[in-house]
Amino acid sequence: RKEVEQDPGPFNVPEGATVAFNCTYSNSASQSFFWYRQDCRKEPKLLMSVYSSGNEDGRFTAQLNRASQYISLLIRDSKLSDSATYLCVVTPSMDSNYQLIWGAGTKLIIKP
Amino acid sequence: DAGVTQSPTHLIKTRGQQVTLRCSPISGHKSVSWYQQVLGQGPQFIFQYYEKEERGRGNFPDRFSARQFPNYSSELNVNALLLGDSALYLCASSLFLAGPQETQYFGPGTRLLVL
Repeated sequence: RKEVEQDPGPFNVPEGATVAFNCTYSNSASQSFFWYRQDCRKEPKLLMSVYSSGNEDGRFTAQLNRASQYISLLIRDSKLSDSATYLCVVTPSMDSNYQLIWGAGTKLIIKP
Repeated sequence: DAGVTQSPTHLIKTRGQQVTLRCSPISGHKSVSWYQQVLGQGPQFIFQYYEKEERGRGNFPDRFSARQFPNYSSELNVNALLLGDSALYLCASSLFLAGPQETQYFGPGTRLLVL
């Protein structure tokens, strides 16, 4: 089982719709959680951190469910510019060799 | 302000050759991490350097090595290249040792193709 798993998609969504995707992680002691966005042939960019209480940034809402070991990302009123690959990132706990563990990403295509 | 810069942007090598990739972190950042991203996959951690010392290493063979210079720039070296080394190599910098509260900023990457 992969440490971080995501549905690769693609999710084809009409502009203005709401879309959500999840990411599951295997290590119950994982410490930190993030969503990154990666445009085609570009570097990943931090979209948002995910906190236990959930957090919102404009049209984007991230949630963490530790009991079921998944994080989610909700995008409301989707824009054409939201088309990208969304990467879920987890950091292990009790590990001095700090590193980011990445999912393979979920591809999102917003259609006009 | 300049972000993380990497060179070269693209590189083509043949099997068995050696390659050196370079990274300059954001000014003032002391930590550099290297990642390998194979097409269709998420990045995989290779190394982290902080204050010129290796502070973390991922599950990569000894053919991969790196170093950090006094000006905090870094080089990643890969020897005896294999076809499977073809990937986007990403460098990320952070102000201090990368950790849960420390945001990493990524460079544009070096796209390596091994023929």
